[in-house]
Amino acid sequence: EADIYQTPRYLVIGTGKKITLECSQTMGHDKMYWYQQDPGMELHLIHYSYGVNSTEKGDLSSESTVSRIRTEHFPLTLESARPSHTSQYLCASSEATSSGNTIYFGEGSWLTVV
Amino acid sequence: KQEVTQIPAALSVPEGENLVLNCSFTDSAIYNLQWFRQDPGKGLTSLLLIQSSQREQTSGRLNASLDKSSGRSTLYIAASQPGDSATYLCAVRGGATNKLIFGTGTLLAVQP
Repeated sequence: EADIYQTPRYLVIGTGKKITLECSQTMGHDKMYWYQQDPGMELHLIHYSYGVNSTEKGDLSSESTVSRIRTEHFPLTLESARPSHTSQYLCASSEATSSGNTIYFGEGSWLTVV
Repeated sequence: KQEVTQIPAALSVPEGENLVLNCSFTDSAIYNLQWFRQDPGKGLTSLLLIQSSQREQTSGRLNASLDKSSGRSTLYIAASQPGDSATYLCAVRGGATNKLIFGTGTLLAVQP
């Protein structure tokens, strides 16, 4: 079983609050990702990292930010949450090879901004 | 820009039936294609990964095929069970940034 963990699983917060979604993996993977998925909709890549101190924005514009200070940790932060940020956020990791490696997902974090 | 489409969007079958889920992609320059399963309120579970040089992969009752030249993949589920009910997503990896592009998913319901 792949070891990638996300916390919190569910969170309801008020508008304007700062929130950090945690993601950790114990597999030593270099590549990590954050995806956003609204109910019934497709997944969209919002951030990715190919290693420590490497972060890039994904296909979907997001007001969130990420950091990668340690290989195993890839937190996502919203400085001032808004109702439009209500969504499921999925963290993932994979090994840094050219092909043939499965991507592993966390259980997801459901964020509701009221 | 790579686009991944899955048909049908939703499918309901009686238990025991064999079924096929379809995935198509517009750019055939891919490294691999993966099929995932997503249960409501949960993350994704990887089912099968097919490398660009392969034509199919099998795991238990699941068989995934890949025709890179035509931009198509299918996921065949044999003898479906109610526990197979979930959303099935395909995703392709490729392109300059090696990112994973997901399809819209097929919501499968297997009726007991």
